[in-house]
Amino acid sequence: DAGITQSPRYKITETGRQVTLMCHQTWSHSYMFWYRQDLGHGLRLIYYSAAADITDKGEVPDGYVVSRSKTENFPLTLESATRSQTSVYFCASMRVREQYFGPGTRLTVT
Amino acid sequence: DQQVKQNSPSLSVQEGRISILNCDYTNSMFDYFLWYKKYPAEGPTFLISISSIKDKNEDGRFTVFLNKSAKHLSLHIVPSQPGDSAVYFCAASEGYGGSQGNLIFGKGTKLSVKP
Repeated sequence: DAGITQSPRYKITETGRQVTLMCHQTWSHSYMFWYRQDLGHGLRLIYYSAAADITDKGEVPDGYVVSRSKTENFPLTLESATRSQTSVYFCASMRVREQYFGPGTRLTVT
Repeated sequence: DQQVKQNSPSLSVQEGRISILNCDYTNSMFDYFLWYKKYPAEGPTFLISISSIKDKNEDGRFTVFLNKSAKHLSLHIVPSQPGDSAVYFCAASEGYGGSQGNLIFGKGTKLSVKP
């Protein structure tokens, strides 16, 4: 089915470990985004990508790395996870001015 | 400072009545506004949008009103149904392309529709 998927849906990791969250879309949208949702903050942009090999920082990029070698994939890596990165992470792609979101990954850093 | 504000964290409405969710913004360069609905353990779902050249957009039970002079928009749901119970996010963007297409979200309003 067409759409946007994220994996894993749930992840528990330890402080200091590297974690990669995956995002895949089947629409071939140029723009893709990573957000985190925390209580009291709504959704905050971590990184975005305008096309393959073009990425840029959002509002809260520290501690995160992204890459985009293919249009359909946009992985987010936490190089050394910290407890403050415990959150729900959403990936999105954009058609014209509207963004469409994946189901989210709930990440817990212990 | 918040550029998009949803000042009501929660709203409770009786089934069949109107739900009105409000959103204020501070950036006069915003030219496109969206509403998203979010159920627990799911991603936000696009609901309805409005361009700054319009003051109203309607889609079935959902209508968004934009008052540019007041920098205010609202989402009306008529009639409200129990299935509408969710968190609603207001979002805004300025221009298109590069970082201008990025959405700025409010913190959300939790709507509860009681049978």
